[in-house]
Amino acid sequence: QQQVKQSPQSLIVQKGGISIINCAYENTAFDYFPWYQQFPGKGPALLIAIRPDVSEKKEGRFTISFNKSAKQFSLHIMDSQPGDSATYFCAASMPGANNLFFGTGTRLTVIP
Amino acid sequence: KAGVTQTPRYLIKTRGQQVTLSCSPISGHRSVSWYQQTPGQGLQFLFEYFSETQRNKGNFPGRFSGRQFSNSRSEMNVSTLELGDSALYLCASSRGLAGGGTGTQYFGPGTRLTVL
Repeated sequence: QQQVKQSPQSLIVQKGGISIINCAYENTAFDYFPWYQQFPGKGPALLIAIRPDVSEKKEGRFTISFNKSAKQFSLHIMDSQPGDSATYFCAASMPGANNLFFGTGTRLTVIP
Repeated sequence: KAGVTQTPRYLIKTRGQQVTLSCSPISGHRSVSWYQQTPGQGLQFLFEYFSETQRNKGNFPGRFSGRQFSNSRSEMNVSTLELGDSALYLCASSRGLAGGGTGTQYFGPGTRLTVL
């Protein structure tokens, strides 16, 4: 059973556009929601993370929006660049827990 | 500060063999977690070690095991390899929290295991 559901599976965006990736979860015990970026041949790298006590967090061109009542969170990439082309994973973990539950990933392609 | 290193980067084995993968965490990090990444199942948690003790284990058969040394380096072992064990095995390092949990996890580049 997939604890974290991610969509879309793939996404093509024009350079300068906004990329939006969505995730949903069922377990209300989750209290930490990171996003990871993975390039081919590399391990996932932490991009940005949020806890459920805030509804939005922004770091540069990357923003997480969090809707606790809907149990959904999303990643927005503003002014998308070809260098952003990668696979993005959302994840969640529980308090005091030491394992991440990952979404299935979104392959983002930013075309020039 | 050096990142997480994993060795070897690539490995080819045949069914029935066993394999040992190694992970060196970021200096000062005491927690090491292992994940399996496959196209079909995505990223799945294997187990986590903190101060040489396994704290949590995912839903994998007993053929998958691990250990951690006093310098926080960790190894995972897979015995009696099956074709389905072909995957990218990722190690993640974090400071570790006294009350449990790991904090932010930093991933290594992974070991690509191919089972023929």
